Amino acid sequence: DVKVTQSSRYLVKRTGEKVFLECVQDMDHENMFWYRQDPGLGLRLIYFSYDVKMKEKGDIPEGYSVSREKKERFSLILESASTNQTSMYLCASSLSLTGSGNTIYFGEGSWLTVV
Amino acid sequence: AQKVTQAQTEISVVEKEDVTLDCVYETRDTTYYLFWYKQPPSGELVFLIRRNSFDEQNEISGRYSWNFQKSTSSFNFTITASQVVDSAVYFCALSEARDSNYQLIWGAGTKLIIKP
Repeated sequence: DVKVTQSSRYLVKRTGEKVFLECVQDMDHENMFWYRQDPGLGLRLIYFSYDVKMKEKGDIPEGYSVSREKKERFSLILESASTNQTSMYLCASSLSLTGSGNTIYFGEGSWLTVV
Repeated sequence: AQKVTQAQTEISVVEKEDVTLDCVYETRDTTYYLFWYKQPPSGELVFLIRRNSFDEQNEISGRYSWNFQKSTSSFNFTITASQVVDSAVYFCALSEARDSNYQLIWGAGTKLIIKP
């Protein structure tokens, strides 16, 4: 089974803090994703990465950055957290972007509250 | 433009009833993929099924079945003999082979409540 593990399930951070959300996958997948999910807005893609050290902006990259130094690990960084970044963050991975391996598998989610 | 519509915002049924969740999609691509995910209250999105546009066979997995009809651009999901553990939000999603961002286009989700 594919396993995507997010390091923190629940976090409370102060406005202006730097926040790291860590994600690890154990299936040697090429691609990794960060989404946020908000009531009424659904799932929105923040960033994705198709290879080590490679990244692509999604729909809402502003206020976020990412890091992929190793294939299995994809980090989401909030340089200076703001209250409008309070949300649930979902990490995901897929073997490929197209074809038979393009199923995206998700982690359990990280609930971030910025106060 | 690509779009996924889940018109049912919330469905509530009594345990053991059958329930169908609707999904209608729009795409100009001839090669595309459709997905269903389940999101229980714990938050994790659980992959249920993936279908490519060339495979219109219906699929059954235990109490779950999926009806893919290209003629009506629909990919509906039926749970037979529902159970309380089926309570969750269910999302339908579309991925187009041609999309340079290879993004999933998500439906808004249908909240399914199974009452004991």
